[in-house]
Amino acid sequence: DQQVKQNSPSLSVQEGRISILNCDYTNSMFDYFLWYKKYPAEGPTFLISISSIKDKNEDGRFTVFLNKSAKHLSLHIVPSQPGDSAVYFCAANRQGGKLIFGQGTELSVKP
Amino acid sequence: DAGVTQSPTHLIKTRGQQVTLRCSPKSGHDTVSWYQQALGQGPQFIFQYYEEEERQRGNFPDRFSGHQFPNYSSELNVNALLLGDSALYLCASSLVNDNEQFFGPGTRLTVL
Repeated sequence: DQQVKQNSPSLSVQEGRISILNCDYTNSMFDYFLWYKKYPAEGPTFLISISSIKDKNEDGRFTVFLNKSAKHLSLHIVPSQPGDSAVYFCAANRQGGKLIFGQGTELSVKP
Repeated sequence: DAGVTQSPTHLIKTRGQQVTLRCSPKSGHDTVSWYQQALGQGPQFIFQYYEEEERQRGNFPDRFSGHQFPNYSSELNVNALLLGDSALYLCASSLVNDNEQFFGPGTRLTVL
């Protein structure tokens, strides 16, 4: 039972353009959503998060949007930079418990 | 301010052996969670420790056990290793009931 899904295994974007990474979830009990960035042979690095009581959270070039009715969230990166090339994971949890991760989307930003 | 640290970085074991992985949480954090990440997959939750007790457990067999020490550091033990246990093992720390978890670099376990 995959409660968090990232349906796009990979995404390729031109430098300077917008990257949009998508994530869907099935469990309406989740109350917090997070995005992590991961380079090969390293642990995931926390990027940005959003509480279920909000619909948008912005931090510099990164913005996360939450659509609770559609059980969908997205991460926007504007403008995209080559250093953003990595695997991005969305995750969800409830009251500080276990994180449930999606399968990841590999982002490639081309110069 | 040190982040989450894990040791060792890499480990090679043979089937049937036992392994112990170690984690020191980020300064000020009191909760440690362990995850297993197989190649091409997202991390899978193993268990979480708080106040030296297992607080929550994922869908892993009893061969996987853990411990948390009074200084909040933690160990993950895996007995009777199987080939399928080969993975990246990640430790994450947080404050209890806080949603944001911060990960260490992981331990790459290879079972031959």
